[in-house]
Amino acid sequence: SYELTQPPSVSVFPGQTATITCSGDKLGDKYASWYQQKAGQSPVLLIYEDIKRPSGIPERFSGSNSGNTATLTISGTQAMDEADYYCQAWDSSTVFGGGTKLTVL
Amino acid sequence: EVQLVQSGAEVKKPGESLKISCKGSGYSFTNFWIGWVRQMPGKGLEWMGIIWPGDSDARYSPSFQGQVTISVDKSISTVYLQWSSLKASDTAMYYCARQPTTVTKLVHFDYWGQGTLVTVSS
Repeated sequence: SYELTQPPSVSVFPGQTATITCSGDKLGDKYASWYQQKAGQSPVLLIYEDIKRPSGIPERFSGSNSGNTATLTISGTQAMDEADYYCQAWDSSTVFGGGTKLTVL
Repeated sequence: EVQLVQSGAEVKKPGESLKISCKGSGYSFTNFWIGWVRQMPGKGLEWMGIIWPGDSDARYSPSFQGQVTISVDKSISTVYLQWSSLKASDTAMYYCARQPTTVTKLVHFDYWGQGTLVTVSS
């Protein structure tokens, strides 16, 4: 079965750029989505179809996908961005990555 | 406003049955797939399956096939997730979520329910 691999944790200082990766075999040939889940809340869609942002999602969130890696980039990270982040793609069924805990130092 | 409202928390004993619900509103209910996602305590998201409310076509993750049943009552815009015999390992938060595309490779979930916490303990 298809697997998506994320780093368990990423740390960043406020105002800096956070980069969260998601790796999978030929992931660049598929479409990746990203979700943010804050403690005690439901997931929120941040990025879909690799690079698209739903309305209401700040421009500081951006995505890319090439080769075997999809990347979520958070520019000018804020304290409110501290959360778990999950990538997701489809390969015969829907697959989520294991999640990355973003800590804003 | 699109909303998915889930039923409340449940506490059950092993071996009992359970059916939780997810009611959609604010959009054309029969024209969007609705999926279920499990999140075990302290763990990540796991896709369980999905249903097309228009014709009750349900599809399951291999990991959950035969373990749960997804159904729908389109007359009341409600999707269900059902267990016939719960296990302690079914203890988790369960989310329903709307899939806004019918193109499989573009799958993503744009609206999520608030979650239903299921606790299975003797």
